[in-house]
Amino acid sequence: EAGVTQFPSHSVIEKGQTVTLRCDPISGHDNLYWYRRVMGKEIKFLLHFVKESKQDESGMPNNRFLAERTGGTYSTLKVQPAELEDSGVYFCATSIGGKTQYFGPGTRLLVL
Amino acid sequence: GENVEQHPSTLSVQEGDSAVIKCTYSDSASNYFPWYKQELGKRPQLIIDIRSNVGEKKDQRIAVTLNKTAKHFSLHITETQPEDSAVYFCAAGYNFNKFYFGSGTKLNVKP
Repeated sequence: EAGVTQFPSHSVIEKGQTVTLRCDPISGHDNLYWYRRVMGKEIKFLLHFVKESKQDESGMPNNRFLAERTGGTYSTLKVQPAELEDSGVYFCATSIGGKTQYFGPGTRLLVL
Repeated sequence: GENVEQHPSTLSVQEGDSAVIKCTYSDSASNYFPWYKQELGKRPQLIIDIRSNVGEKKDQRIAVTLNKTAKHFSLHITETQPEDSAVYFCAAGYNFNKFYFGSGTKLNVKP
């Protein structure tokens, strides 16, 4: 069984630019979560989809972040415009019925 | 909201020794406590978890204990091996919804 995949693995952009991160869940996983880890700190929750619906977006830092999950399959997380403090590792995790969360390898974002 | 604190931030042990990582949480409603291991350059992987109706759970060399009254839980690794070297994250959640993570413990097992 293929695991959660994320693309790209790394992204280096300049402040003010736009970046879109993608997460492909394990087939059949209806719950999808986005998390972020800023250098050396805890992994922080951003938002949670159940199928295509946003269940909880209380962790989204501000309106520069937009997450979508059209059709309830893959999800994208767009940051526009990016700021220096957006740098970090963005993880996607998916689960069936909200149970064990399986993590992707993460996208390492660096905003210069 | 929930706040999870994890200690120590780094831990160095000799191969064969035991390692203990401790976490505390603030929200008494939390009822699910997973532990993830992240090896260098790899994804976080679930290694063990415990629900609030259980006080202890063991899987080979790994065990987790939970004290609901004190709101703390711990990961115990016995007979450590070099391949146990990684960053370990504790987390707390309610009914498998979003997780609140600790800041991670970098474990180094010296051969």
